[in-house]
Amino acid sequence: AQSVAQPEDQVNVAEGNPLTVKCTYSVSGNPYLFWYVQYPNRGLQFLLKYITGDNLVKGSYGFEAEFNKSQTSFHLKKPSALVSDSALYFCAVRDEGNNFNKFYFGSGTKLNVKP
Amino acid sequence: EPEVTQTPSHQVTQMGQEVILRCVPISNHLYFYWYRQILGQKVEFLVSFYNNEISEKSEIFDDQFSVERPDGSNFTLKIRSTKLEDSAMYFCASSEGFAEAFFGQGTRLTVV
Repeated sequence: AQSVAQPEDQVNVAEGNPLTVKCTYSVSGNPYLFWYVQYPNRGLQFLLKYITGDNLVKGSYGFEAEFNKSQTSFHLKKPSALVSDSALYFCAVRDEGNNFNKFYFGSGTKLNVKP
Repeated sequence: EPEVTQTPSHQVTQMGQEVILRCVPISNHLYFYWYRQILGQKVEFLVSFYNNEISEKSEIFDDQFSVERPDGSNFTLKIRSTKLEDSAMYFCASSEGFAEAFFGQGTRLTVV
């Protein structure tokens, strides 16, 4: 069965420090992987994706993520966190084995960046 | 920049009443979705829609739910007889293909 795991409900980091938000997935076919960010009372905003090619993908606002096929992971990273990065982050996957019919979302990780 | 538009932003309804949530997807997109989120927590899949047909639906999407693309631009979610547990934020999304989807700002449904 398809699933996405975000093992940390919350990540705390000081402004200026690097941040990592973890994501692992389980699919039956090739994965298409995504990160979304949600600010309070707002919709989900697309950050970045991995479809194919280079395992390190770069997205909006200085975020990047690394696809690791052997570890089935797609961790979100940023070299230097900003207070404005504080939000709820969701990892999502589409599964070729399910005809890409839908996004499977993780449970979300709340990122707190402190000044 | 094109965006997905949802109306209303907030809907309050009495239990047992019918509600229709409306969405205008991005114009050249072919795939449409409804998700919901309860209390800012997990994002739950409801239904996906392509070529005027449901592609997949979840267990949540029972006979009380239906979707329609009435006029080639709108995409609606109808709940026939609302229950208290239907209270949630409902998100519409659309995608051009199998890559990223773009989400609307959501409709907050409150059933009283």
